[in-house]
Amino acid sequence: GAVVSQHPSWVICKSGTSVKIECRSLDFQATTMFWYRQFPKQSLMLMATSNEGSKATYEQGVEKDKFLINHASLTLSTLTVTSAHPEDSSFYICSARDLSSTGETQYFGPGTRLLVL
Amino acid sequence: SQQGEEDPQALSIQEGENATMNCSYKTSINNLQWYRQNSGRGLVHLILIRSNEREKHSGRLRVTLDTSKKSSSLLITASRAADTASYFCATVESPGGGNKLTFGTGTQLKVEL
Repeated sequence: GAVVSQHPSWVICKSGTSVKIECRSLDFQATTMFWYRQFPKQSLMLMATSNEGSKATYEQGVEKDKFLINHASLTLSTLTVTSAHPEDSSFYICSARDLSSTGETQYFGPGTRLLVL
Repeated sequence: SQQGEEDPQALSIQEGENATMNCSYKTSINNLQWYRQNSGRGLVHLILIRSNEREKHSGRLRVTLDTSKKSSSLLITASRAADTASYFCATVESPGGGNKLTFGTGTQLKVEL
């Protein structure tokens, strides 16, 4: 099946610093990728939809200036958490839909665990 | 976004037993999907059922969909310890849902030897 990778798998940073998370589709092209956040023992909440070559679409309540998304190619989307604070500590997961597929399945990355001290 | 509800929140069964999880949602949907998540890991797609389908099978999985009640169930038969994970339903709204998935609250399944 299609593979989506994320890097790094975990990161610890100091409050006030910025952290970049990469999401790559390894064996397929994706015009659209999605970024989710998941707090412990909770469900996934969609943060934004990342569109290749255009601006991301953010969900209500998600600050676009704090969570910067760049989708520069058909296989790479990045999420940058700017001026991170302890409340940004969470599990961030991306997903991608295969451009060549007519199906509705999204393929998920393994997630990135962020801890802000 | 309107998140669906799943019940039970947690389920503990013995290996070999069947596990049933239920999902309710609030909007009209294009399709409903079930995902599995092992602790601290990403999601694995299990099965997709479209709004015009009522039941679907895949191996030991059986999914039903009742659009009149806005609910779905996932049955795992002959459970194994390796089935221990969190299970989430996710819906794609219709119309206008695009490819956006709205996830349910999840069921934590524990299968004991």
